[in-house]
Amino acid sequence: NAGVMQNPRHLVRRRGQEARLRCSPMKGHSHVYWYRQLPEEGLKFMVYLQKENIIDESGMPKERFSAEFPKEGPSILRIQQVVRGDSAAYFCASSPVNYNEQFFGPGTRLTVL
Amino acid sequence: GIQVEQSPPDLILQEGANSTLRCNFSDSVNNLQWFHQNPWGQLINLFYIPSGTKQNGRLSATTVATERYSLLYISSSQTTDSGVYFCAVASNGYALNFGKGTSLLVTP
Repeated sequence: NAGVMQNPRHLVRRRGQEARLRCSPMKGHSHVYWYRQLPEEGLKFMVYLQKENIIDESGMPKERFSAEFPKEGPSILRIQQVVRGDSAAYFCASSPVNYNEQFFGPGTRLTVL
Repeated sequence: GIQVEQSPPDLILQEGANSTLRCNFSDSVNNLQWFHQNPWGQLINLFYIPSGTKQNGRLSATTVATERYSLLYISSSQTTDSGVYFCAVASNGYALNFGKGTSLLVTP
């Protein structure tokens, strides 16, 4: 059973460009979570999605960041007009139901030049 | 939000030694997980343990939910155990709050 897949594993963007991070949950998992690991802040919850629904986006910056989990295809975390402070590791996790163990992907390491 | 404190922050062990890592949290939780972040940055699930005791090989964990702490035991440590160990908790079931981690170095 394949684990959570994330791509790309490494992404380099220049300031002002857009970054798109993809996450395919484990087979049979319909709940997806995104977390960000900043060097000095540790791992922080960003958003919780189910198919076609955003359940909780309280941890996501109000501007430039958006997330979706369409009926078909992977979950996407989109960062518009990236700034240097967006450089971080972005982790996706999935679970089969809520109130359950979350399994993490390998992460996407975003570097903004 | 819920506070998570891990101790010790750093730990150096010789191969073969045992250790106990602690996680204190400030509120009741319905999700608690232990992770190992290896030197390549990957988060490896160790335990899902909102309460009770579990064992997996050389690792075991205990959560005393009523007293708001969890312990991770590593026995007969190996160099491959090196990395950062995170405790993460949620009181709403899904938004994991991570501690700052315990950085473990196991020397040959």
